[in-house]
Amino acid sequence: NAGVTQTPKFQVLKTGQSMTLQCAQDMNHNSMYWYRQDPGMGLRLIYYSASEGTTDKGEVPNGYNVSRLNKREFSLRLESAAPSQTSVYFCASSALAAQETQYFGPGTRLLVL
Amino acid sequence: GENVEQHPSTLSVQEGDSAVIKCTYSDSASNYFPWYKQELGKGPQLIIDIRSNVGEKKDQRIAVTLNKTAKHFSLHITETQPEDSAVYFCAASGGTASKLTFGTGTRLQVTL
Repeated sequence: NAGVTQTPKFQVLKTGQSMTLQCAQDMNHNSMYWYRQDPGMGLRLIYYSASEGTTDKGEVPNGYNVSRLNKREFSLRLESAAPSQTSVYFCASSALAAQETQYFGPGTRLLVL
Repeated sequence: GENVEQHPSTLSVQEGDSAVIKCTYSDSASNYFPWYKQELGKGPQLIIDIRSNVGEKKDQRIAVTLNKTAKHFSLHITETQPEDSAVYFCAASGGTASKLTFGTGTRLQVTL
């Protein structure tokens, strides 16, 4: 089992460019999450998908969109990147809702110039 | 929504000493409190969790205590080792939303 995988590992964008961060899990989990991690601010939830076919906003959804493509895959899209979106992005999954153990991917480091 | 505060932000201990990290939460309906360890360049990994029907839980050198009345919970690491050096996050869940709210993290350094 690979667990939770994320691509790419590192990306540099110019302001205004768009990109999609990919996440996949092979644990047959129902719930998936996207977080961003900034120095001194911990992990903040961007969007989550409690089950296939549903998505909900988290704490910091502005500037992002998500797609739960199927049970395995949950992508995060930046339509017009801004320097404030420079961060490390983590995808996570859990068997059911958030009161189950969340398993995190290795992260995507994004730099927006 | 839920708000989780975590202290201290950095903690340095000598190998063999104990380390304690404290968190407070705001939503009295929260009932699940996990702790995650994040090593450099990796994603966070669950090390222990506690639910509101339990006051204390131990797993070898790690223990977590919960005081629901005061709305705070703590992570205790005994006999610290260099491999315990990492960033630790507390989190809370339950109440009005089925999602985790994380604290801001504690960087623990265990020195020889």
